[in-house]
Amino acid sequence: DAEITQSPRHKITETGRQVTLACHQTWNHNNMFWYRQDLGHGLRLIHYSYGVQDTNKGEVSDGYSVSRSNTEDLPLTLESAASSQTSVYFCASSESAGNTGELFFGEGSRLTVL
Amino acid sequence: GNSVTQMEGPVTLSEEAFLTINCTYTATGYPSLFWYVQYPGEGLQLLLKATKADDKGSNKGFEATYRKETTSFHLEKGSVQVSDSAVYFCALSDGGYQKVTFGTGTKLQVIP
Repeated sequence: DAEITQSPRHKITETGRQVTLACHQTWNHNNMFWYRQDLGHGLRLIHYSYGVQDTNKGEVSDGYSVSRSNTEDLPLTLESAASSQTSVYFCASSESAGNTGELFFGEGSRLTVL
Repeated sequence: GNSVTQMEGPVTLSEEAFLTINCTYTATGYPSLFWYVQYPGEGLQLLLKATKADDKGSNKGFEATYRKETTSFHLEKGSVQVSDSAVYFCALSDGGYQKVTFGTGTKLQVIP
């Protein structure tokens, strides 16, 4: 079965360190997204990609970057982790052709920045 | 820009009670509307969707009708179960850009 997997599921790091969260999907979807989930804010879009070599900023992109070198992977990098980036991060993907916006989510990565 | 507003939670109901979670939206054009559900410790999964005005989405006893005149997409279930305890997110998709905008989520707790 096709799926989307995130790693690590849990990560504790220190302020100022670089952190990379991995996202791998086997749906063969062109569209991939990173969201963060915080109490009172729901899900907020960090970055997204519509295909290989394409990346775009979402509403809360400061301090984050992504790269898309193949269809399956969209790693999220925190250049210099800050306590405000403590959150649960979700990766998602969707089809592009005939798309109605339905997203397929990973199980999330809980990041704590001390 | 697009936005989704849903009722504040948490919502606590007894088993077999009727559920309504309100959702209204602001969008240009003709978005698709969704309800996603998140069970504890898991990612979100699609519960139901509607892609045009007056469509009714339904799944697992849940229903929601796309009301363009009131810009609403309220979630209903006639008889909730303990297993329905989760966080419910209303969302919309601007098909032109394929991005999804989420509401803040409503936590539902069903007690026996």
